[in-house]
Amino acid sequence: QKEVEQDPGPLSVPEGAIVSLNCTYSNSAFQYFMWYRQYSRKGPELLMYTYSSGNKEDGRFTAQVDKSSKYISLFIRDSQPSDSATYLCATYNQGGKLIFGQGTELSVKP
Amino acid sequence: SQTIHQWPATLVQPVGSPLSLECTVEGTSNPNLYWYRQAAGRGLQLLFYSVGIGQISSEVPQNLSASRPQDRQFILSSKKLLLSDSGFYLCAWSFRDRYGYTFGSGTRLTVV
Repeated sequence: QKEVEQDPGPLSVPEGAIVSLNCTYSNSAFQYFMWYRQYSRKGPELLMYTYSSGNKEDGRFTAQVDKSSKYISLFIRDSQPSDSATYLCATYNQGGKLIFGQGTELSVKP
Repeated sequence: SQTIHQWPATLVQPVGSPLSLECTVEGTSNPNLYWYRQAAGRGLQLLFYSVGIGQISSEVPQNLSASRPQDRQFILSSKKLLLSDSGFYLCAWSFRDRYGYTFGSGTRLTVV
């Protein structure tokens, strides 16, 4: 079993839609969770960071962690064409290294 | 502020040729440095990390090697490239905290 699993998509939504991106992780000891956004042919950039359980909101983006089910989510409200990118979830493994899901490719159509 | 530079952006190399990719970080001292590879449609795979000059740890056995000759310089090398070495190579740094890594802009390597 992979330590972090993510549906690679692709996911296509109309502009203005609410987007839900999800990951599961294997080890209940993981505590730090991140979402990265990667535009085509660019390096990933940190979008959201959460610690332990709960929600964190930043503008149109909400990151959610459910430790009981080992499930992390990223919600994008009022999605825009500029949100079209690959979104990668990440967490620190037991060795202290950042590990990533496969990434979900999102396309927001005008 | 800290910045990370990675070059070249694109590289096409024949099978069997050597490789040298360079990464430098500015604005910080003694960072942790990482090399990742991203294959098409797949996530990021950690290849090497370094916590200091001359200290390199390899995460996966492969045809590549890494070196850190200076505090803020990290180099990814190969003596003889294989077709399977093609991919998107990313350098990243962190400062021993739990707030994620900062990535460079990547090098797209195609081995032909």
